[in-house]
Amino acid sequence: GESVGLHLPTLSVQEGDNSIINCAYSNSASDYFIWYKQESGKGPQFIIDIRSNMDKRQGQRVTVLLNKTVKHLSLQIAATQPGDSAVYFCAETSQGYQKVTFGTGTKLQVIP
Amino acid sequence: EPEVTQTPSHQVTQMGQEVILRCVPISNHLYFYWYRQILGQKVEFLVSFYNNEISEKSEIFDDQFSVERPDGSNFTLKIRSTKLEDSAMYFCASSEWQGVYGYTFGSGTRLTVV
Repeated sequence: GESVGLHLPTLSVQEGDNSIINCAYSNSASDYFIWYKQESGKGPQFIIDIRSNMDKRQGQRVTVLLNKTVKHLSLQIAATQPGDSAVYFCAETSQGYQKVTFGTGTKLQVIP
Repeated sequence: EPEVTQTPSHQVTQMGQEVILRCVPISNHLYFYWYRQILGQKVEFLVSFYNNEISEKSEIFDDQFSVERPDGSNFTLKIRSTKLEDSAMYFCASSEWQGVYGYTFGSGTRLTVV
């Protein structure tokens, strides 16, 4: 069966440090992996995605790494800011991209 | 920036009652979705809707659930006879194309069944 799961429920980092949020997945058929940010009282917000045929993708202050050998996905946030405090979900989609399957979230706490 | 709007933000209903959650997707979007998130848990897919019909649904989306696009702007989720375990945050989402790009979530409706 398909599943996407996160390693740690809570991550605390100092403001200005880099954050790394990890995720394991089991569905080898996934075509896209996505990271979402969910702030309190809001819906998930798309951050960045990566296709299964890539191993790295960079955005503004964020980098997603995909290691298909060990079925591992990570989100790196550079120079973490207080506004980055939120719950981060990894997710995957495949089979026509209608449905997004979310993993359990990691709460990122940025310490000023 | 265009938004997906959901109303109400919080709804309390008695067990066994019908409830309708409302969503206004982004105007040029063609694909519509409902997800739910039980408190402290992950976001779960319920249903996708395109061209006035359900294109995919999950095991959660049983006969008690239905969706409708009654006019050109609203997209609704109806739960016919609510159960305590239906208490959750319900998110509507929409996208212009099939796929994750531009897949925008609303801020959700918190449903509390008492």
